Amino acid sequence: AQSVTQPDIHITVSEGASLELRCNYSYGATPYLFWYVQSPGQGLQLLLKYFSGDTLVQGIKGFEAEFKRSQSSFNLRKPSVHWSDAAEYFCAVGANNNDMRFGAGTRLTVKP
Amino acid sequence: NAGVTQTPKFQVLKTGQSMTLQCAQDMNHEYMSWYRQDPGMGLRLIHYSVGAGITDQGEVPNGYNVSRSTTEDFPLRLLSAAPSQTSVYFCASSFGGPGELFFGEGSRLTVL
Repeated sequence: AQSVTQPDIHITVSEGASLELRCNYSYGATPYLFWYVQSPGQGLQLLLKYFSGDTLVQGIKGFEAEFKRSQSSFNLRKPSVHWSDAAEYFCAVGANNNDMRFGAGTRLTVKP
Repeated sequence: NAGVTQTPKFQVLKTGQSMTLQCAQDMNHEYMSWYRQDPGMGLRLIHYSVGAGITDQGEVPNGYNVSRSTTEDFPLRLLSAAPSQTSVYFCASSFGGPGELFFGEGSRLTVL
């Protein structure tokens, strides 16, 4: 069965600094990969997804992620973090919705 | 646009009580699902449905029942609540296949 590991439980960055959130997965074939964001008291919102093709995918709010098959990774990046990016971020992997596995999440704090 | 609507947002139960969490979506999505979110564990799939009249178990189905009589509604029933069911519950829907999941705002359940 597939699994997702987000090694960082909590990350703090200064506003304007760059950000990288790590995601490693285990899956038997080429997976479908997702990043979701959860603001406090809200449901999850899709940031971006990778199905096939270009391994660098662009998402909403200035986020991007790169699929690296050799490293089984799908790390999320943003060049310059804004205070409104403070939230919890979840990586997910699955061949279909019934099979989706979510990581434990990384909580992002943004310092002024 | 309502999207995915969950009720109630908060609920406190005593051990052994039963209750139903409601979920409705107005996007004509065939796929609907219930997740529970626990600290350090991400989201885990409880039950899902790929269309009216069709339901199936996810990763953690014990203690929960579902039914899907209409495309719009997908209630989650707790038959006899236990403290281990204290969690935040999310309903999500999708057009189907490995696509974007649209989440409700969550229902926080406490079982005493």
